[in-house]
Amino acid sequence: AQSVTQPDIHITVSEGASLELRCNYSYGATPYLFWYVQSPGQGLQLLLKYFSGDTLVQGIKGFEAEFKRSQSSFNLRKPSVHWSDAAEYFCAVGLYNNNDMRFGAGTRLTVKP
Amino acid sequence: EPEVTQTPSHQVTQMGQEVILRCVPISNHLYFYWYRQILGQKVEFLVSFYNNEISEKSEIFDDQFSVERPDGSNFTLKIRSTKLEDSAMYFCASSEADPITRSRQFFGPGTRLTVL
Repeated sequence: AQSVTQPDIHITVSEGASLELRCNYSYGATPYLFWYVQSPGQGLQLLLKYFSGDTLVQGIKGFEAEFKRSQSSFNLRKPSVHWSDAAEYFCAVGLYNNNDMRFGAGTRLTVKP
Repeated sequence: EPEVTQTPSHQVTQMGQEVILRCVPISNHLYFYWYRQILGQKVEFLVSFYNNEISEKSEIFDDQFSVERPDGSNFTLKIRSTKLEDSAMYFCASSEADPITRSRQFFGPGTRLTVL
Protein backbone atom coordinates (compact mmCIF):
# COMPACT_ATOMS: atom_id res chain seq x y z
CA ALA A 1 0.00 0.00 0.00
CA GLN A 2 1.17 3.50 -0.67
CA SER A 3 2.48 5.46 2.29
CA VAL A 4 4.12 8.76 2.99
CA THR A 5 6.69 9.42 5.68
CA GLN A 6 7.73 12.80 6.99
CA PRO A 7 10.56 12.01 9.40
CA ASP A 8 10.64 15.40 11.10
CA ILE A 9 7.73 16.23 13.36
CA HIS A 10 8.96 19.72 14.20
CA ILE A 11 11.64 21.91 12.69
CA THR A 12 12.82 25.31 13.90
CA VAL A 13 14.81 27.62 11.64
CA SER A 14 15.88 31.22 11.90
CA GLU A 15 14.34 33.77 9.60
CA GLY A 16 16.45 34.08 6.48
CA ALA A 17 17.93 30.62 6.83
CA SER A 18 17.41 27.89 4.29
CA LEU A 19 14.87 25.14 4.80
CA GLU A 20 14.51 21.55 3.75
CA LEU A 21 11.55 19.39 4.75
CA ARG A 22 11.88 15.71 4.08
CA CYS A 23 9.33 13.41 2.51
CA ASN A 24 9.68 9.76 1.53
CA TYR A 25 7.03 7.68 -0.13
CA SER A 26 6.45 4.04 -0.64
CA TYR A 27 4.72 2.92 -3.77
CA GLY A 28 5.37 0.51 -6.62
CA ALA A 29 4.99 3.07 -9.40
CA THR A 30 5.72 6.76 -9.67
CA PRO A 31 2.89 8.52 -7.94
CA TYR A 32 1.79 12.08 -8.13
CA LEU A 33 3.48 14.00 -5.33
CA PHE A 34 2.27 17.09 -3.54
CA TRP A 35 3.20 19.49 -0.81
CA TYR A 36 0.46 21.29 1.09
CA VAL A 37 0.75 23.98 3.75
CA GLN A 38 -1.71 24.49 6.58
CA SER A 39 -1.62 27.70 8.56
CA PRO A 40 -3.34 27.69 11.96
CA GLY A 41 -7.10 27.60 11.53
CA GLN A 42 -6.79 27.41 7.78
CA GLY A 43 -7.40 24.75 5.18
CA LEU A 44 -4.77 23.02 3.12
CA GLN A 45 -3.15 25.09 0.40
CA LEU A 46 -1.30 23.43 -2.46
CA LEU A 47 2.33 24.60 -2.65
CA LEU A 48 3.45 22.49 -5.59
CA LYS A 49 3.00 19.16 -7.31
CA TYR A 50 4.96 16.70 -9.39
CA PHE A 51 3.40 14.54 -12.07
CA SER A 52 6.19 13.89 -14.56
CA GLY A 53 9.00 15.61 -16.43
CA ASP A 54 11.48 17.93 -14.78
CA THR A 55 12.22 16.53 -11.34
CA LEU A 56 12.73 19.97 -9.84
CA VAL A 57 9.38 21.70 -9.48
CA GLN A 58 8.74 25.27 -8.51
CA GLY A 59 5.82 26.24 -6.36
CA ILE A 60 4.25 29.25 -4.79
CA LYS A 61 5.81 31.42 -2.07
CA GLY A 62 9.34 30.63 -3.26
CA PHE A 63 9.18 26.91 -2.49
CA GLU A 64 10.61 24.18 -4.65
CA ALA A 65 10.79 20.41 -4.38
CA GLU A 66 12.93 17.78 -6.03
CA PHE A 67 11.73 14.31 -6.94
CA LYS A 68 14.45 11.69 -6.54
CA ARG A 69 13.24 8.34 -7.77
CA SER A 70 16.27 6.45 -6.48
CA GLN A 71 15.61 7.69 -2.95
CA SER A 72 11.79 7.68 -3.18
CA SER A 73 11.93 11.22 -1.88
CA PHE A 74 10.28 14.51 -2.61
CA ASN A 75 11.89 17.04 -0.29
CA LEU A 76 10.63 20.59 -0.03
CA ARG A 77 13.12 23.46 0.01
CA LYS A 78 13.22 27.19 0.38
CA PRO A 79 16.46 29.21 0.22
CA SER A 80 15.38 31.89 2.69
CA VAL A 81 12.57 31.40 5.17
CA HIS A 82 10.22 34.21 6.14
CA TRP A 83 8.37 34.45 9.46
CA SER A 84 5.09 33.99 7.58
CA ASP A 85 6.22 30.52 6.51
CA ALA A 86 5.56 29.20 10.02
CA ALA A 87 2.90 26.53 9.50
CA GLU A 88 2.31 22.81 9.21
CA TYR A 89 3.55 21.22 5.99
CA PHE A 90 2.12 18.03 4.55
CA CYS A 91 3.54 15.84 1.85
CA ALA A 92 0.94 13.79 -0.03
CA VAL A 93 0.85 11.00 -2.58
CA GLY A 94 -1.82 10.57 -5.18
CA LEU A 95 -2.35 8.05 -7.92
CA TYR A 96 -3.43 8.52 -11.49
CA ASN A 97 -7.12 7.72 -11.75
CA ASN A 98 -7.36 7.18 -8.02
CA ASN A 99 -8.84 9.73 -5.70
CA ASP A 100 -7.40 8.28 -2.54
CA MET A 101 -4.72 10.82 -1.64
CA ARG A 102 -2.50 9.80 1.25
CA PHE A 103 -0.92 12.38 3.50
CA GLY A 104 2.17 12.31 5.63
CA ALA A 105 1.91 13.10 9.31
CA GLY A 106 3.08 16.65 8.74
CA THR A 107 6.06 18.74 9.80
CA ARG A 108 5.50 21.79 11.94
CA LEU A 109 7.77 24.66 11.01
CA THR A 110 8.66 27.31 13.58
CA VAL A 111 10.56 30.39 12.42
CA LYS A 112 12.73 32.22 14.94
CA PRO A 113 13.23 35.97 14.52
CA GLU B 1 -8.95 32.61 -6.93
CA PRO B 2 -12.10 30.51 -6.39
CA GLU B 3 -12.24 28.65 -3.10
CA VAL B 4 -14.02 25.86 -1.34
CA THR B 5 -16.13 26.97 1.60
CA GLN B 6 -17.32 24.96 4.57
CA THR B 7 -19.92 25.55 7.25
CA PRO B 8 -19.97 25.63 10.17
CA SER B 9 -16.39 26.35 11.15
CA HIS B 10 -16.95 24.62 14.49
CA GLN B 11 -19.67 22.18 15.48
CA VAL B 12 -20.20 20.83 18.97
CA THR B 13 -22.54 17.89 19.43
CA GLN B 14 -23.51 15.26 21.94
CA MET B 15 -22.46 11.67 21.42
CA GLY B 16 -25.14 9.77 19.50
CA GLN B 17 -26.45 12.82 17.68
CA GLU B 18 -26.49 13.22 13.93
CA VAL B 19 -24.41 15.96 12.35
CA ILE B 20 -24.27 17.31 8.82
CA LEU B 21 -21.18 19.10 7.64
CA ARG B 22 -21.64 21.30 4.63
CA CYS B 23 -19.34 22.24 1.81
CA VAL B 24 -19.66 24.39 -1.27
CA PRO B 25 -17.09 23.16 -3.82
CA ILE B 26 -15.64 25.29 -6.59
CA SER B 27 -18.41 25.76 -9.12
CA ASN B 28 -16.92 24.04 -12.17
CA HIS B 29 -15.45 21.12 -10.25
CA LEU B 30 -17.00 17.69 -10.57
CA TYR B 31 -15.06 15.60 -8.03
CA PHE B 32 -15.66 16.12 -4.35
CA TYR B 33 -13.89 14.71 -1.34
CA TRP B 34 -13.99 14.53 2.41
CA TYR B 35 -10.95 14.12 4.61
CA ARG B 36 -10.55 14.21 8.35
CA GLN B 37 -7.71 15.11 10.66
CA ILE B 38 -7.87 13.95 14.24
CA LEU B 39 -6.00 16.38 16.47
CA GLY B 40 -2.27 15.77 16.24
CA GLN B 41 -2.61 13.12 13.56
CA LYS B 42 -2.34 13.00 9.82
CA VAL B 43 -4.98 13.99 7.29
CA GLU B 44 -6.96 10.89 6.26
CA PHE B 45 -9.01 10.30 3.15
CA LEU B 46 -12.65 9.44 3.75
CA VAL B 47 -14.50 9.45 0.47
CA SER B 48 -14.63 10.81 -3.06
CA PHE B 49 -17.80 11.56 -4.99
CA TYR B 50 -18.44 11.95 -8.69
CA ASN B 51 -21.51 11.96 -10.88
CA ASN B 52 -23.82 11.67 -7.88
CA GLU B 53 -22.23 8.57 -6.47
CA ILE B 54 -19.35 7.53 -4.30
CA SER B 55 -16.24 7.00 -6.39
CA GLU B 56 -13.98 5.65 -3.66
CA LYS B 57 -14.03 5.35 0.08
CA SER B 58 -11.61 4.37 2.79
CA GLU B 59 -12.08 1.86 5.57
CA ILE B 60 -12.89 4.75 7.89
CA PHE B 61 -16.01 5.58 5.88
CA ASP B 62 -18.35 3.03 7.42
CA ASP B 63 -22.13 2.84 7.53
CA GLN B 64 -22.47 5.74 9.93
CA PHE B 65 -21.14 8.09 7.26
CA SER B 66 -22.96 9.23 4.15
CA VAL B 67 -22.44 11.91 1.54
CA GLU B 68 -24.87 13.74 -0.62
CA ARG B 69 -25.05 16.48 -3.18
CA PRO B 70 -28.53 17.73 -2.39
CA ASP B 71 -28.48 20.52 -4.96
CA GLY B 72 -26.21 22.01 -7.56
CA SER B 73 -23.86 23.70 -5.14
CA ASN B 74 -23.66 21.89 -1.79
CA PHE B 75 -21.85 18.70 -0.84
CA THR B 76 -22.58 17.29 2.58
CA LEU B 77 -21.12 14.74 4.96
CA LYS B 78 -23.54 13.20 7.42
CA ILE B 79 -22.47 11.31 10.50
CA ARG B 80 -25.50 9.38 11.67
CA SER B 81 -24.67 8.71 15.30
CA THR B 82 -21.55 10.51 16.43
CA LYS B 83 -18.96 8.89 18.64
CA LEU B 84 -16.29 10.55 20.74
CA GLU B 85 -13.65 9.39 18.30
CA ASP B 86 -15.36 11.30 15.48
CA SER B 87 -14.00 14.50 16.99
CA ALA B 88 -11.70 15.88 14.32
CA MET B 89 -11.24 18.54 11.70
CA TYR B 90 -13.14 17.61 8.56
CA PHE B 91 -11.89 18.98 5.27
CA CYS B 92 -13.85 19.14 2.06
CA ALA B 93 -12.02 19.32 -1.25
CA SER B 94 -12.95 19.51 -4.90
CA SER B 95 -11.20 19.05 -8.21
CA GLU B 96 -11.80 19.05 -11.91
CA ALA B 97 -12.79 15.87 -13.71
CA ASP B 98 -9.87 15.79 -16.14
CA PRO B 99 -7.64 12.84 -15.19
CA ILE B 100 -4.55 15.03 -15.01
CA THR B 101 -5.95 17.99 -13.11
CA ARG B 102 -8.19 15.83 -10.94
CA SER B 103 -5.29 15.34 -8.55
CA ARG B 104 -5.10 19.05 -7.92
CA GLN B 105 -7.55 19.15 -5.08
CA PHE B 106 -8.60 22.45 -3.60
CA PHE B 107 -9.30 22.25 0.12
CA GLY B 108 -11.73 24.15 2.25
CA PRO B 109 -10.84 25.65 5.64
CA GLY B 110 -12.31 22.73 7.53
CA THR B 111 -15.04 22.17 10.10
CA ARG B 112 -13.91 21.32 13.59
CA LEU B 113 -16.27 18.73 15.04
CA THR B 114 -16.26 18.23 18.78
CA VAL B 115 -18.27 15.31 20.16
CA LEU B 116 -19.01 15.48 23.87
